[in-house]
Amino acid sequence: DTAVSQTPKYLVTQMGNDKSIKCEQNLGHDTMYWYKQDSKKFLKIMFSYNNKELIINETVPNRFSPKSPDKAHLNLHINSLELGDSAVYFCASSQGTGVGQPQHFGDGTRLSIL
Amino acid sequence: AQTVTQSQPEMSVQEAETVTLSCTYDTSESDYYLFWYKQPPSRQMILVIRQEAYKQQNATENRFSVNFQKAAKSFSLKISDSQLGDAAMYFCAYRSSEWYSGGGADGLTFGKGTHLIIQP
Repeated sequence: DTAVSQTPKYLVTQMGNDKSIKCEQNLGHDTMYWYKQDSKKFLKIMFSYNNKELIINETVPNRFSPKSPDKAHLNLHINSLELGDSAVYFCASSQGTGVGQPQHFGDGTRLSIL
Repeated sequence: AQTVTQSQPEMSVQEAETVTLSCTYDTSESDYYLFWYKQPPSRQMILVIRQEAYKQQNATENRFSVNFQKAAKSFSLKISDSQLGDAAMYFCAYRSSEWYSGGGADGLTFGKGTHLIIQP
């Protein structure tokens, strides 16, 4: 049973397209996150979402928007894809926003922009 | 904003030996958590160990232990009796106690990682 699952695992698309990555967690957690890992393996937080409260990293372009249909899902929508969006995107979840709560990560989605 | 620095892009160790991965961080906060995550070639992010800043005792998890020096803002990871399965990227991460982190989303701040190679 996968705790945090992302689909698809790989996504290849052309510049200018709009795409979505789905994330679901079955841990009963109430806080979810999206991270971006670039080609140099650097991981950076993009969003955190808890109880309908979204916190956005100010460096994230507004072409990126997370959508949460319910507590178990936090999908990532990306409009007008650019070459620089090529990266691995990780979804994560934790129970609450307590600073010590461990975050459980999905396996990542590798997005490649042609 | 907090920063996390891992000064060793790559480390190599013989199987069964001990290796220490270094991590330093910069913060003005007194309450926070530090983590080590492991990312094997399978790309999963796996929590290895965590340390609360208020706890003086160093955390240990089986073969993994940390040397937490709060005043020096240092958080190194020691892996004893290295095994082939330990080969991975290791990321040091910081989490602020403040929900709003000055423009950053409330998540983990990662270092750039250390690639650990285990020689058989």
